[in-house]
Amino acid sequence: AQSVTQLGSHVSVSEGALVLLRCNYSSSVPPYLFWYVQYPNQGLQLLLKYTSAATLVKGINGFEAEFKKSETSFHLTKPSAHMSDAAEYFCAVSETSGAQKLVFGQGTRLTINP
Amino acid sequence: GAVVSQHPSWVICKSGTSVKIECRSLDFQATTMFWYRQFPKQSLMLMATSNEGSKATYEQGVEKDKFLINHASLTLSTLTVTSAHPEDSSFYICSAPTLGGNEQFFGPGTRLTVL
Repeated sequence: AQSVTQLGSHVSVSEGALVLLRCNYSSSVPPYLFWYVQYPNQGLQLLLKYTSAATLVKGINGFEAEFKKSETSFHLTKPSAHMSDAAEYFCAVSETSGAQKLVFGQGTRLTINP
Repeated sequence: GAVVSQHPSWVICKSGTSVKIECRSLDFQATTMFWYRQFPKQSLMLMATSNEGSKATYEQGVEKDKFLINHASLTLSTLTVTSAHPEDSSFYICSAPTLGGNEQFFGPGTRLTVL
């Protein structure tokens, strides 16, 4: 079975500071990994995905994530936080592809301080 | 990009009534759709996989008779919460992958409040 653990249910950073959201996964097969963002009362929007190609994945809105097999991690980063980045972020894993069912982490609420 | 819609966006109903939620893929066909449930400040939990032309596949612990799923066409799946109770109040989100694609597209969600 697959699982995802997001360390830190709430992360707060200052505007312009580095954003680091942590995600560790467990999977018996090579995983497909995803980061989604959710704004209040809305669905999920894909930020980026890892599908066994490059280990450093660049996504939308300046976010990127690095797949580290040895650490079973897929942490999300952004060099400089913007107020509009305030949202809930979910890491997810899939066994075969993003078209199959996803297992989500608990979510991390990102707050940006002015 | 691919767009998934849900209707209604929110609904309030009395305990004991049934509520139907629609999930539509607007510009692509989807043989599979997924239904998730999200409690306040919590993650998404997969409820079931909706398959066009066949029975839905439910996750362990999800009551099939309470959460009826019908995937009537390649662009529409419906979730009916039967005999709703306050504990069914939640945010329901659907998603659909494009045919042959490796990415799911999520609907905006439906907030159900059962009084």
